[in-house]
Amino acid sequence: KAGVTQTPRYLIKTRGQQVTLSCSPISGHRSVSWYQQTPGQGLQFLFEYFSETQRNKGNFPGRFSGRQFSNSRSEMNVSTLELGDSALYLCASSGRGQNTGELFFGEGSRLTVL
Amino acid sequence: ELKVEQNPLFLSMQEGKNYTIYCNYSTTSDRLYWYRQDPGKSLESLFVLLSNGAVKQEGRLMASLDTKARLSTLHITAAVHDLSATYFCAVDSTRQGGSEKLVFGKGTKLTVNP
Repeated sequence: KAGVTQTPRYLIKTRGQQVTLSCSPISGHRSVSWYQQTPGQGLQFLFEYFSETQRNKGNFPGRFSGRQFSNSRSEMNVSTLELGDSALYLCASSGRGQNTGELFFGEGSRLTVL
Repeated sequence: ELKVEQNPLFLSMQEGKNYTIYCNYSTTSDRLYWYRQDPGKSLESLFVLLSNGAVKQEGRLMASLDTKARLSTLHITAAVHDLSATYFCAVDSTRQGGSEKLVFGKGTKLTVNP
């Protein structure tokens, strides 16, 4: 079955702009999580959505937001971009029925802020 | 706050040798995951460890979990070049209503030399 799909894969923005990243989970998966990966901070949890509700949120400023649609697809938005937002943003989905908490990751969206 | 520490962070080994990567975590959890990441790629799930004493093996890799010691190990047997990658352990930090939030270690960059 198709894996987690993220778009766009690469993007370049300038400081002050905003960006929207999209994630389509594995078919049947209703939980979508977002992680930020940087060389300095490693992998950090941003937020998790299940059935269009945010169930958990990491320690990121309010400039980072997300949402989930009725078809489980998710978007995350970063407003007023800063240089430090340059990172690989990874989306992961999990199936509630499996009850293992195992996450399946997409290829990521690599954001460069100039 | 849950903290996850991996060591070593960098590991250079010769083909055919054995080695172990360690993952310590600071608070109680009985769910631990190992992922592999190749350069420029996403995270690939390797092992899901869900109980004390759990042991999983796949090819030259074997993972174990000791929840009392808050320790997981990833043992590499007779390393081959194809195992060169960065390995992450991740611990489930919340069980609230099944919400899934993983805290990742910094990763161990493994290089296997001929």
